[in-house]
Amino acid sequence: SQKIEQNSEALNIQEGKTATLTCNYTNYSPAYLQWYRQDPGRGPVFLLLIRENEKEKRKERLKVTFDTTLKQSLFHITASQPADSATYLCALQGSAGNNRKLIWGLGTSLAVNP
Amino acid sequence: DAGVTQSPTHLIKTRGQQVTLRCSPKSGHDTVSWYQQALGQGPQFIFQYYEEEERQRGNFPDRFSGHQFPNYSSELNVNALLLGDSALYLCASRGVGQETQYFGPGTRLLVL
Repeated sequence: SQKIEQNSEALNIQEGKTATLTCNYTNYSPAYLQWYRQDPGRGPVFLLLIRENEKEKRKERLKVTFDTTLKQSLFHITASQPADSATYLCALQGSAGNNRKLIWGLGTSLAVNP
Repeated sequence: DAGVTQSPTHLIKTRGQQVTLRCSPKSGHDTVSWYQQALGQGPQFIFQYYEEEERQRGNFPDRFSGHQFPNYSSELNVNALLLGDSALYLCASRGVGQETQYFGPGTRLLVL
């Protein structure tokens, strides 16, 4: 069955450093991979989408890479700030039919210490 | 633009009861999806509505049903509630041809 794995342990980093979160998947060939941020008790907020034919995408301090050979995406936050502290979720999506529903990882909790 | 709105924000029910949750999509969006998120878990896809019909469904029993209205708003109904139905229920909307979904704040359901 399809499986998505994210860093299981919480990530603690110092303000100003780069946070790197990992999303690995098996038994799936996604057309898209998305990263979301979720604060406690709130709905996920979309951050970035990367397509299967894209290697890297950037948005301000955020960078996502997508390696379909390794079946892995890396999510980077550069110059991290305490306000970046949240849970980050990756989600995969196929290209057609029932595969278009999003399949989610469990999320990785990030704490940026001042 | 109010974004995606959901009501109620919190709800407490007892086992065996029925519940209806409501969602209004972001302006201009016509597709609504519902998710269940248990504590410490990622969202689990329940179903998606487009043009007032259920288009996709996840692995949820028939106790979970929904509806989409002509104004694109949607309801999620859960019958015969179980303790395990306690979770954050999220609604997400997207526009035609778009892949990005916008989530509402969720409804926190507690079943006692």
